[in-house]
Amino acid sequence: GNSVTQMEGPVTLSEEAFLTINCTYTATGYPSLFWYVQYPGEGLQLLLKATKADDKGSNKGFEATYRKETTSFHLEKGSVQVSDSAVYFCALSLMTTDSWGKLQFGAGTQVVVTP
Amino acid sequence: AAGVIQSPRHLIKEKRETATLKCYPIPRHDTVYWYQQGPGQDPQFLISFYEKMQSDKGSIPDRFSAQQFSDYHSELNMSSLELGDSALYFCASSLDYRQNTEAFFGQGTRLTVV
Repeated sequence: GNSVTQMEGPVTLSEEAFLTINCTYTATGYPSLFWYVQYPGEGLQLLLKATKADDKGSNKGFEATYRKETTSFHLEKGSVQVSDSAVYFCALSLMTTDSWGKLQFGAGTQVVVTP
Repeated sequence: AAGVIQSPRHLIKEKRETATLKCYPIPRHDTVYWYQQGPGQDPQFLISFYEKMQSDKGSIPDRFSAQQFSDYHSELNMSSLELGDSALYFCASSLDYRQNTEAFFGQGTRLTVV
């Protein structure tokens, strides 16, 4: 089946530190890949996405590159802020007859940025 | 810009009661997805609708049912509630799921069963 594995949290960083959250996937086919962010008490917001191999998604200083050869979609940010504290979910979706666009999420990684 | 609206935002019910959650998709979006997120868990897909027809089904209990209406809003009906149904329920909408377009999420309904 399809699955997403991401590094466990919490990840605690100081402001302006470099952030990496690892994400790998297993899928039958060619999925689209996403990173969603969930701030405390709020819903899920799409952070970035990539729909094919070697695509790079980027938004708000975050980046992730779709690596088909390593089945990975690691999230990076060069200099985090306290406001980046949230839970980050890696997800995939497939357009197949048994997976019409529904999202398969990883377990989520909590990121805590301290001043 | 209009977003996905879910109501109510918070709901407290007793065991064995019934709950109805509503979702109003972004205008012109014809696909609705429901997800359940337990405490500290990742969101799990429940069910989806496209053009008022069920398009996919996930790990939705038989006690739950859902439908999409002619105005594209959707309702998730939950009966014989159990303590384990306490979770955050998200609705997401997209424009034509067959095109694998981006799904936009609502802020969720937090259901607490006591």
